[in-house]
Amino acid sequence: SQTIHQWPATLVQPVGSPLSLECTVEGTSNPNLYWYRQAAGRGLQLLFYSVGIGQISSEVPQNLSASRPQDRQFILSSKKLLLSDSGFYLCAWTRTIANYGYTFGSGTRLTVV
Amino acid sequence: KNEVEQSPQNLTAQEGEFITINCSYSVGISALHWLQQHPGGGIVSLFMLSSGKKKHGRLIATINIQEKHSSLHITASHPRDSAVYICAQGLYGGSQGNLIFGKGTKLSVKP
Repeated sequence: SQTIHQWPATLVQPVGSPLSLECTVEGTSNPNLYWYRQAAGRGLQLLFYSVGIGQISSEVPQNLSASRPQDRQFILSSKKLLLSDSGFYLCAWTRTIANYGYTFGSGTRLTVV
Repeated sequence: KNEVEQSPQNLTAQEGEFITINCSYSVGISALHWLQQHPGGGIVSLFMLSSGKKKHGRLIATINIQEKHSSLHITASHPRDSAVYICAQGLYGGSQGNLIFGKGTKLSVKP
């Protein structure tokens, strides 16, 4: 069966510090991978998606970047965190066929102080 | 502009009540998703539908493509149903499999 792992679950980081959130998928190959963010009081927003190794598309210009060094690994990074980066970050995957359901990770709650 | 509107934003019910959450969207979709987010933040996909109706246990999801409207119903509600329910539309074209999310409906079921 397919599973998705996301870590850490919670993170408190000072402004200006770097960030690395990791997401891995098991039990499938060549998934579409996504990073979403949920800011306080707002809906989920797509940050990055990837359809293959090394292929990253960004939906929203920001202080973050993403990488996909392996087929089932998706990393969200920042060199210098801002207060506005605080939020709930979710990784998700789906198959590369249309209308296949999404599976979400458990999320990382990031607080930048 | 693609928008997904949910109503109500907040809903409090007594255990056993029948609950309806509504979702309206503005453009054609490839599929409509209903998600459940628990207080800890984790999200579970409940339904994905592009027409008609789906049922899973006490949960029923319906969609009317012509009216661009979907509903999520919970029969015989229970306190463990307390969560945020999120509607999301999948779009034709655009980002690969991208979803546009509503802001969610916070449901609290009292015993």
